[in-house]
Amino acid sequence: AQSVTQLGSHVSVSEGALVLLRCNYSSSVPPYLFWYVQYPNQGLQLLLKYTTGATLVKGINGFEAEFKKSETSFHLTKPSAHMSDAAEYFCAVSPLPDKLIFGTGTRLQVFP
Amino acid sequence: DSGVTQTPKHLITATGQRVTLRCSPRSGDLSVYWYQQSLDQGLQFLIHYYNGEERAKGNILERFSAQQFPDLHSELNLSSLELGDSALYFCASSASFPADTQYFGPGTRLTVL
Repeated sequence: AQSVTQLGSHVSVSEGALVLLRCNYSSSVPPYLFWYVQYPNQGLQLLLKYTTGATLVKGINGFEAEFKKSETSFHLTKPSAHMSDAAEYFCAVSPLPDKLIFGTGTRLQVFP
Repeated sequence: DSGVTQTPKHLITATGQRVTLRCSPRSGDLSVYWYQQSLDQGLQFLIHYYNGEERAKGNILERFSAQQFPDLHSELNLSSLELGDSALYFCASSASFPADTQYFGPGTRLTVL
């Protein structure tokens, strides 16, 4: 069965520091991979997605992720954190075009 | 703003009751998905409809049902409510099937007392 593991339920960084949120997936077929962000009391917003092609995917708000098939990983990074990045981040896999399987989420805190 | 609307935003009800959650997809989107977000279960896929037809079911309880109407809006019906049904219910829509990007609504927060 397909699944997603997000390492670290909480990540804290200082403003201006590198953000690294980890995601590993399990899928028997080449998956579609996504990162969504959820701000307090809001719905989920798509940050970026990987379907096929270039393995380095650039998203909104300066985030990017790299699909590494050999490591079954899709980690999310941002070179310099901003206070407004504080939110919960979800990695998701879509092995079939009928549902998303989400990880448990990582809450990002950004300190001044 | 994703273009997906959900009503109501908040719903408070008692155990044993029945409620209906409503979702309007983005203009032109044919697929509607329902998800439940709770503290203990996380984000769980419930059900997917495409152009009025059920396409996939996830961890949806038998007490729950959904439908998609000819105007493409969808309703999620929850009956015989239990305390554990308290959660955020999200609707998402996508343009086509198969599709790869789902756009989420703001959610309906259900509290069962």
